[in-house]
Amino acid sequence: QQQVKQSPQSLIVQKGGISIINCAYENTAFDYFPWYQQFPGKGPALLIAIRPDVSEKKEGRFTISFNKSAKQFSLHIMDSQPGDSATYFCAASLLGNEKLTFGTGTRLTIIP
Amino acid sequence: DTEVTQTPKHLVMGMTNKKSLKCEQHMGHRAMYWYKQKAKKPPELMFVYSYEKLSINESVPSRFSPECPNSSLLNLHLHALQPEDSALYLCASSQGAETYGYTFGSGTRLTVV
Repeated sequence: QQQVKQSPQSLIVQKGGISIINCAYENTAFDYFPWYQQFPGKGPALLIAIRPDVSEKKEGRFTISFNKSAKQFSLHIMDSQPGDSATYFCAASLLGNEKLTFGTGTRLTIIP
Repeated sequence: DTEVTQTPKHLVMGMTNKKSLKCEQHMGHRAMYWYKQKAKKPPELMFVYSYEKLSINESVPSRFSPECPNSSLLNLHLHALQPEDSALYLCASSQGAETYGYTFGSGTRLTVV
């Protein structure tokens, strides 16, 4: 019940296109859903996060869509750029619980 | 200062060696974490310190020994490691269980030979 499932495992998108990564969770008590971006040899960096009381959050080219009834959330990267090529992890946690449950990761490659 | 600093960046050690990884943050965060990350996998939680006390140990082998000397520092002492312990070791901090959001360091790339 603590799992977060992430798809696809890898994704290739043309420059300027939209990259979409999906996650699904089981534990309905989760109340914080961040996305992390990780470049090779670096630690994950918080990209954008959402709480379940909103259905969408946008920051620049990055948007999280959240569907509470389906227990799913997704990351959309608009106008994808080669510099967006990285591994993306979704995650979930509970307020008051220090553990962060990660998805399995998506390796995104943006081609010119 | 909004960073978590980890040293060293790279470490190669033999199976009989003793070494330590260090982590430092000056954001006033009250919780600090050690994660282990293998290639192409998500980070796996090892230890959590909350207000300088060990609050979570994810059944990590005793050859890994964490230490939190003060609220800004976190160490991971390594002894008699195995080649399968080779990984990226990540430190993170957060304001504590009552708030959200982690800040990760860049990690120590550990190779056990």
